Amino acid sequence: GENVGLHLPTLSVQEGDNSIINCAYSNSASDYFIWYKQESGKGPQFIIDIRSNMDKRQGQRVTVLLNKTVKHLSLQIAATQPGDSAVYFCAEKEKGGSEKLVFGKGTKLTVNP
Amino acid sequence: DAGITQSPRHKVTETGTPVTLRCHQTENHRYMYWYRQDPGHGLRLIHYSYGVKDTDKGEVSDGYSVSRSKTEDFLLTLESATSSQTSVYFCAISAQPEGPQHFGDGTRLSIL
Repeated sequence: GENVGLHLPTLSVQEGDNSIINCAYSNSASDYFIWYKQESGKGPQFIIDIRSNMDKRQGQRVTVLLNKTVKHLSLQIAATQPGDSAVYFCAEKEKGGSEKLVFGKGTKLTVNP
Repeated sequence: DAGITQSPRHKVTETGTPVTLRCHQTENHRYMYWYRQDPGHGLRLIHYSYGVKDTDKGEVSDGYSVSRSKTEDFLLTLESATSSQTSVYFCAISAQPEGPQHFGDGTRLSIL
């Protein structure tokens, strides 16, 4: 909801490890999901998306998994690099709804060299 | 990177003054959006546009107005700025509502 703390969840990993970032979404009518990466001082950058008729989608070094039963989305980053350090957040869009995306609050990923 | 330019990138102004932020795109996308980003909140939609002169309100539209007279430009206006409107403002574009939105690098607005 709106009344959450100012501190983002954090994930700290070693360079070369795999990272898993999780997102719980709220609307069972959502049928389109996106992961964004946001570096300090920059706008959100599109990483990968998935539609509800899929459970898994792979990109370059990234995989998104969708579990509609428990309304859970995850982003897996393989061989994490220092350049992957950023805030990652998911967004959902309701099927047949307006053009609006609903954004999560994000997870801060820190990659230690 | 999507061709999105936001201006200005930084602005400091006083309470009660009007402020206009500009978003310019070179992608010829139909849909454009204005968001604000504040600590403790996800991105929140202020207004969006689904075509020239076609706009609609988002979840936090009070105190803001928008205009879109050309496909490439989407303006956000704070008629009388208040301190609660201090935020980072992002513009986004998309070719279709079923696809991803692509963001500019934001305008950091401080209202004293």
